[in-house]
Amino acid sequence: GQQLNQSPQSMFIQEGEDVSMNCTSSSIFNTWLWYKQDPGEGPVLLIALYKAGELTSNGRLTAQFGITRKDSFLNISASIPSDVGIYFCAGNHFTNAGKSTFGDGTTLTVKP
Amino acid sequence: SQTIHQWPATLVQPVGSPLSLECTVEGTSNPNLYWYRQAAGRGLQLLFYSVGIGQISSEVPQNLSASRPQDRQFILSSKKLLLSDSGFYLCAWSGTGLSTDTQYFGPGTRLTVL
Repeated sequence: GQQLNQSPQSMFIQEGEDVSMNCTSSSIFNTWLWYKQDPGEGPVLLIALYKAGELTSNGRLTAQFGITRKDSFLNISASIPSDVGIYFCAGNHFTNAGKSTFGDGTTLTVKP
Repeated sequence: SQTIHQWPATLVQPVGSPLSLECTVEGTSNPNLYWYRQAAGRGLQLLFYSVGIGQISSEVPQNLSASRPQDRQFILSSKKLLLSDSGFYLCAWSGTGLSTDTQYFGPGTRLTVL
């Protein structure tokens, strides 16, 4: 089946720093999604990407759908303590409609 | 607006006891429904997937089962819990057709099997 490699697995940064994480796949996806999971809660959608090359922002967050359709990255600018959590990428392919392939997550720790 | 509920929020059960976790969705009809398990500090493992009442797809072999008795109700069960069943269980829903890509997660149930 399809698999996603998400990196880095964890990050420890100072408040105010920028963050970058990415996901890669050996197969193409039609949709890329980025979720954030706060401690003890369910993941929440941050950004959805539907077209190769698409660059989308949501506040301090920016994500891009790779031109090859096999990768995506998420950037967070000027991190703040509430950015702490686990960030998941997910990919969808039309042949597997309704079932996302999730990365293993990037755990972000922000030091004040 | 749509909302998704899970209960209980936390549960401590002895090995060998039965399990029933419930998930309900409001504000939408005929959703796709999902059960995931998340081990501590790990990713999401898809357990079950349902596209309609009584239609359940099992993704991994295990001693858990799922049922969908009503359109917006999804239940995760076990007859005898194992220690390895401990984890954070998440229910999610998505739309159908072109709206299947985005999943909306519930608050989760923390299960500890002792």
